[in-house]
Amino acid sequence: DAKTTQPPSMDCAEGRAANLPCNHSTISGNEYVYWYRQIHSQGPQYIIHGLKNNETNEMASLIITEDRKSSTLILPHATLRDTAVYYCIVRGRPGTASKLTFGTGTRLQVTL
Amino acid sequence: GAGVSQTPSNKVTEKGKYVELRCDPISGHTALYWYRQSLGQGPEFLIYFQGTGAADDSGLPNDRFFAVRPEGSVSTLKIQRTERGDSAVYLCASSLITQDRDREQFFGPGTRLTVL
Repeated sequence: DAKTTQPPSMDCAEGRAANLPCNHSTISGNEYVYWYRQIHSQGPQYIIHGLKNNETNEMASLIITEDRKSSTLILPHATLRDTAVYYCIVRGRPGTASKLTFGTGTRLQVTL
Repeated sequence: GAGVSQTPSNKVTEKGKYVELRCDPISGHTALYWYRQSLGQGPEFLIYFQGTGAADDSGLPNDRFFAVRPEGSVSTLKIQRTERGDSAVYLCASSLITQDRDREQFFGPGTRLTVL
């Protein structure tokens, strides 16, 4: 799986948008970008995934650059409960079960 | 419905002892994964089951670690002759695999193993 690079930490004011970047310059054509987050003392939680088109669900939006070498996870209105470590992961297409390769992620701190 | 459960939530043992960690996946999930997470690090893959068989055990660090899933549901991770370096949170995840759906792995809360 391709390697990802994320900033170690970010701060965001509550109610503002949180934009979390991820670089994955070695991603191959059939690999997807996944985002998980891990709230303190809990297991990781799936957020969203995408291949090349932008994606949106009830939790977040995922913006993938045209060359697919980077992406941004957007939490449109961050709340204190969004404080967590966010992991950007590159893996194979859905339907091919495979391991998740976590890096060290971005620790997002949402403040009042 | 019930999520992935893991027991015990905490386990303290002495160096050299044997431990078993249990994972109950979401009912009907065919795939089951074990990860471990050291302090300040992201989870690290250990082994993955599809049904009863281990489809990928490339993450097991050495032959002291072994996992089983005899009936394709509950899994047990077994660690022999524990070492202090085995101290970590052991996470289990499950997912439902169909032709076009393996979007998410559902994780349990983990078992915190401390080897004294």
